[in-house]
Amino acid sequence: EPEVTQTPSHQVTQMGQEVILRCVPISNHLYFYWYRQILGQKVEFLVSFYNNEISEKSEIFDDQFSVERPDGSNFTLKIRSTKLEDSAMYFCASGIAGGYNEQFFGPGTRLTVL
Amino acid sequence: AQSVAQPEDQVNVAEGNPLTVKCTYSVSGNPYLFWYVQYPNRGLQFLLKYITGDNLVKGSYGFEAEFNKSQTSFHLKKPSALVSDSALYFCAVRDYTGANNLFFGTGTRLTVIP
Repeated sequence: EPEVTQTPSHQVTQMGQEVILRCVPISNHLYFYWYRQILGQKVEFLVSFYNNEISEKSEIFDDQFSVERPDGSNFTLKIRSTKLEDSAMYFCASGIAGGYNEQFFGPGTRLTVL
Repeated sequence: AQSVAQPEDQVNVAEGNPLTVKCTYSVSGNPYLFWYVQYPNRGLQFLLKYITGDNLVKGSYGFEAEFNKSQTSFHLKKPSALVSDSALYFCAVRDYTGANNLFFGTGTRLTVIP
């Protein structure tokens, strides 16, 4: 059964450093998402991506964040200058379509900013 | 604004007994509702969804959920709990007229006691 994969599983970085979180969505999916979950809090939407552009983003997704689908298979989330409050579990998801179609989630990358 | 409430952080149930995990939602229009489950070190796995039609929807692993529009609820149920059902359960909603991103509850940890 196809799965969304994410690397690395755990990333530790110093405050102010750039990090890139990587995801490989399910191959025939067209919609891609990033969510995050701060420890003990709810899963929060960051950004959605369709047709090689951002379709929606939340207020969390400020200028420090960017997404890219560089090669037709990977989907990346970059944080340019990490802050302590960026420490969270980051989930990538993909879906074959939008609307009522379910999203398939990866196992997450735990980002720790020191 | 869209939101989801899962009023119980923790639900304990004996193996073989029926289980219920509660969820209430708030959307401006008609909702699409989803349940996801998260096992340790795994991504969120889709269980079931409500789009329209029959208020009782059936999903994976014997789970079902009942949509109640008047109570704005979408409780997850299973007639007979298994120890392997122990996990973290998330309810999610999106407004069918809005963006594709999901709004999640804070999650309910289900523990099935042998």
